[in-house]
Amino acid sequence: NAGVTQTPKFRVLKTGQSMTLLCAQDMNHEYMYWYRQDPGMGLRLIHYSVGEGTTAKGEVPDGYNVSRLKKQNFLLGLESAAPSQTSVYFCASGGVGRNTEAFFGQGTRLTVV
Amino acid sequence: AQSVAQPEDQVNVAEGNPLTVKCTYSVSGNPYLFWYVQYPNRGLQFLLKYITGDNLVKGSYGFEAEFNKSQTSFHLKKPSALVSDSALYFCAVRDYNTDKLIFGTGTRLQVFP
Repeated sequence: NAGVTQTPKFRVLKTGQSMTLLCAQDMNHEYMYWYRQDPGMGLRLIHYSVGEGTTAKGEVPDGYNVSRLKKQNFLLGLESAAPSQTSVYFCASGGVGRNTEAFFGQGTRLTVV
Repeated sequence: AQSVAQPEDQVNVAEGNPLTVKCTYSVSGNPYLFWYVQYPNRGLQFLLKYITGDNLVKGSYGFEAEFNKSQTSFHLKKPSALVSDSALYFCAVRDYNTDKLIFGTGTRLQVFP
């Protein structure tokens, strides 16, 4: 049981390049989230999904797009990377219900130069 | 909108002493509160969550949290700290209306031998 798996673990991009981060979960969870973690700012929600085929904006959605075509996968895309998007990105998944906890992946460290 | 605040960036405690990591919340309706821990270069791990009616919640690794409705707080506690408890701790709240999972800015706990 792998839980939540993020691909890749590390990436260096040049400004203006695009990339997609993949999150896969094998727990049949309805909810999935993408966060970024920056020093002193905690985790900030980028986008989230409450079920297959749905997406919604979080606190810091600008510059990112997401898709949830399959229940087990949640993709985060950067169309034109900027140095301000240098961060550690975390994916999480959780079950239905407001009191259900989320399970996190190991993170992707992205550097934009 | 629902939110949580962690007023301390860092908490220092000697091994064997009790520890408290503070969290206050602002919610409309019933609060759905969580604590997570992050060890270096790892994803977040779930510690415990508030369950309606239980003012003292027990979680993993000997941690517990005290819910206080009048003070709108959900402080994380442990009777006797271990050096291995040194990590980054996050409080989180589920937004009642949108199902977003919103995190605080985190508190770094340092336990000294």
